[in-house]
Amino acid sequence: KQEVTQIPAALSVPEGENLVLNCSFTDSAIYNLQWFRQDPGKGLTSLLLIQSSQREQTSGRLNASLDKSSGRSTLYIAASQPGDSATYLCAVNTGANSKLTFGKGITLSVRP
Amino acid sequence: DAGVIQSPRHEVTEMGQEVTLRCKPISGHDYLFWYRQTMMRGLELLIYFNNNVPIDDSGMPEDRFSAKMPNASFSTLKIQPSEPRDSAVYFCASSFSAGNEQFFGPGTRLTVL
Repeated sequence: KQEVTQIPAALSVPEGENLVLNCSFTDSAIYNLQWFRQDPGKGLTSLLLIQSSQREQTSGRLNASLDKSSGRSTLYIAASQPGDSATYLCAVNTGANSKLTFGKGITLSVRP
Repeated sequence: DAGVIQSPRHEVTEMGQEVTLRCKPISGHDYLFWYRQTMMRGLELLIYFNNNVPIDDSGMPEDRFSAKMPNASFSTLKIQPSEPRDSAVYFCASSFSAGNEQFFGPGTRLTVL
């Protein structure tokens, strides 16, 4: 059974800092991995999707990497801003059946 | 496109009552998913449909839960009878095809008293 872990559960950084959010998964035979952002009381917003054949994906200040063999993904946020404050969730699709297994998320606070 | 639409956004009901949550997926998306989010268990997949057909309902917690998708633009998740432990945020999501990016609705916050 796939398990997804995100540690730490919460993170507080000063504005402008570059930061890395970690995600680990137990079954390396994944189809793809997706990073989401969730604002308080809101739904999930898809940030990046990395296919199993890819090593990384970039969108603006965000860069997500994938290392299947070690069961890890990282989300890199450059020059963090207070508007980046949210919960970031990692979800793994094991097989092409579209079933996502989610981590518990990392709640990020960027201090002005 | 308006994105995934869910209604109601908030629902407060009493134990034993029937609850129906509604979802309209993004037009053209063949896959529809129902998730539940709680503090204790995080996000869990309840059931998903492909072309209106339920594919996997192994996440549905009990027989009290049922889901239907009568057409490509509408799905319901019903809880009958509801219990306080069903209190959670229920999300609907859709995707264009298998393994593609999933897009989530704003969720329905359910409180069962």
